[in-house]
Parts: sequence; C-alpha cells; structure tokens
Amino acid sequence: ETGVTQSPTHLIKTRGQQVTLRCSSQSGHNTVSWYQQALGQGPQFIFQYYREEENGRGNFPPRFSGLQFPNYSSELNVNALELDDSALYLCASSPGVATGELFFGEGSRLTVL
Amino acid sequence: DAKTTQPNSMESNEEEPVHLPCNHSTISGTDYIHWYRQLPSQGPEYVIHGLTSNVNNRMASLAIAEDRKSSTLILHRATLRDAAVYYCILRDVGGSQGNLIFGKGTKLSVKP
Repeated sequence: ETGVTQSPTHLIKTRGQQVTLRCSSQSGHNTVSWYQQALGQGPQFIFQYYREEENGRGNFPPRFSGLQFPNYSSELNVNALELDDSALYLCASSPGVATGELFFGEGSRLTVL
Repeated sequence: DAKTTQPNSMESNEEEPVHLPCNHSTISGTDYIHWYRQLPSQGPEYVIHGLTSNVNNRMASLAIAEDRKSSTLILHRATLRDAAVYYCILRDVGGSQGNLIFGKGTKLSVKP
C-alpha cells in the first residue's frame, strides 16, 4: 500500500511568484487536507477536499487555492507569494470525512525570498 | 474546536515509561481526544484516539479522566525513535474530519 506522497520536497521562490504543490493520496482515500506549518509551530489547517469539492477551509486568504482530481490526488496553489508563506506544506489523506485517522505526507518545504 | 494545554517539553530515559499529559477543560460531550506525533523532518503520524474509555494500541495507551477534562498518553517503554513532538487534539464528531487544530505540542526527548 503506497502512502501519501508529496512533490516537490523542497523549492525556492521569490516574492510575487506563484507555486503549485502536489499530493498523491493513499490508495482508497477520497479526502485530502492541506496544512501549513511554520518553523516551531504546529500545522495550521488550510482546506479540505472531499470527492473533488472543497469541504472546509481555514483562515487563509483566497490566494491559497486547491484542486482535487478524479483519482483523488490534489494540488495546492499559492499566488502572489509573500515572505510569510515560507513554511512546510503538509498534505493528509483519509478514507472518508468521518474517519478517525489522517495519514500525512512528509511535506513540501517552501522558501520565499 | 476546543483547545488543549500541554507542557512544552518533557524528557525521558530510554526503556522507561513516559506519561504525556493534556488538559482540555472545555471539552464537549462529542469531542474525541486524538494524539498525533511528529518526528523530525516528517509529517505528523496518528498515534491513538478515544472518547471516554481508556484505549490501547500497539503504539501507546490513552488514559482519559472520568470527567474527560484531561488525558494522558502513555508510552510503555520509550525508545530513541519516540523522540518527537506530541500533539493532543480535540475533534468534534460532527466536524470536518480534516480540520484538526494543532497546538504547539510537547517535545519529548529520550535519553539513552
């Protein structure tokens, strides 16, 4: 069984650029959530996708957007990058909205210069 | 979601039991208590969860106070691999599954 995989693992962007991060969910999982983790902090919920529809959003501006594809993989897009967007971006999948356990990937480390 | 309070850090010796406390005095009747841990340079990993009764699995045990205002994660024999940040999280059974609210957690150090 393949776990949650994320790409790229590391990337560097400059202010004002746009970035796309990708996540392949664990086999059989139809729900994907994205989190942002700043250095020394716990992860912060960005949004969740269930069967290709956004199903919950945290306190993040509209320049953070996402997609979920028919195979349940997902993308996180961030436009107009700011220095404070530098963080570890984590993707988590689960077999449904109401299950007890989330499976996290190892994250994509974004640095904005 | 309700908030939790955990010590910032704890230390343990290898092969000894570790008790990680969590206070959640504002817990509601429909909140499950979840624990995740995050090893260095990895994403969080599910450890255990429970509602009212104590729970055991291969990784740990969860002891829940009778009034549910506190809980303790028990690692029965700490290993060096258990060094991680441990997060105690409350989840409303009616809430969005993805919306876990993480605090800063407890950083556990394990000494050989």
